[in-house]
Amino acid sequence: QKEVEQNSGPLSVPEGAIASLNCTYSDRVSQSFFWYRQYSGKSPELIMSIYSNGDKEDGRFTAQLNKASQYVSLLIRDSQPSDSATYLCAVNVAYKYIFGTGTRLKVLA
Amino acid sequence: DAGVIQSPRHEVTEMGQEVTLRCKPISGHDYLFWYRQTMMRGLELLIYFNNNVPIDDSGMPEDRFSAKMPNASFSTLKIQPSEPRDSAVYFCASSYSDRVNTGELFFGEGSRLTVL
Repeated sequence: QKEVEQNSGPLSVPEGAIASLNCTYSDRVSQSFFWYRQYSGKSPELIMSIYSNGDKEDGRFTAQLNKASQYVSLLIRDSQPSDSATYLCAVNVAYKYIFGTGTRLKVLA
Repeated sequence: DAGVIQSPRHEVTEMGQEVTLRCKPISGHDYLFWYRQTMMRGLELLIYFNNNVPIDDSGMPEDRFSAKMPNASFSTLKIQPSEPRDSAVYFCASSYSDRVNTGELFFGEGSRLTVL
């Protein structure tokens, strides 16, 4: 089992809809969780971090963490075509960032 | 600031040749990470340095891969001999002690390696 698992997609949503991206992780020791966005041909960039159970909101983005279920999710409200990208989930274990393979999101205009 | 600088941006080589990828981290950053990205395996951590010292190289696939950081402003990743399965995008990222656990990794633009 990979340490961080994501559905590769593509996940297609219409413009204005809510996009829901999911991630599971295997290491119960993990305390820090992150979402990165990667546009095609570009490098990853950090968009959200979450450290405690519950929801964390930043603009149109909401990260959700459930440590008991070892589950992290990212919700994107009012999805825009510019949100079309691959979203990488990552966990931090002793300074090592372990990434999932990413979920490709396509927002249809 | 110039950001993390990687070179070359693209490299096409033949199987068996030596490949050297270079990285200049952001000035003042004391953590440097080398990642490899493929469609099948995603973004994999190969090795990371702290204050120029290799801390964890457990992700280095085999002895054909080696990485060095002779000073705070330069690191290399070498593959010798290269094989077609090494074809990937190699990313270098840097961070600094106060923020390294907050997700603030600053990635370079990557080096796309194709081994024929």
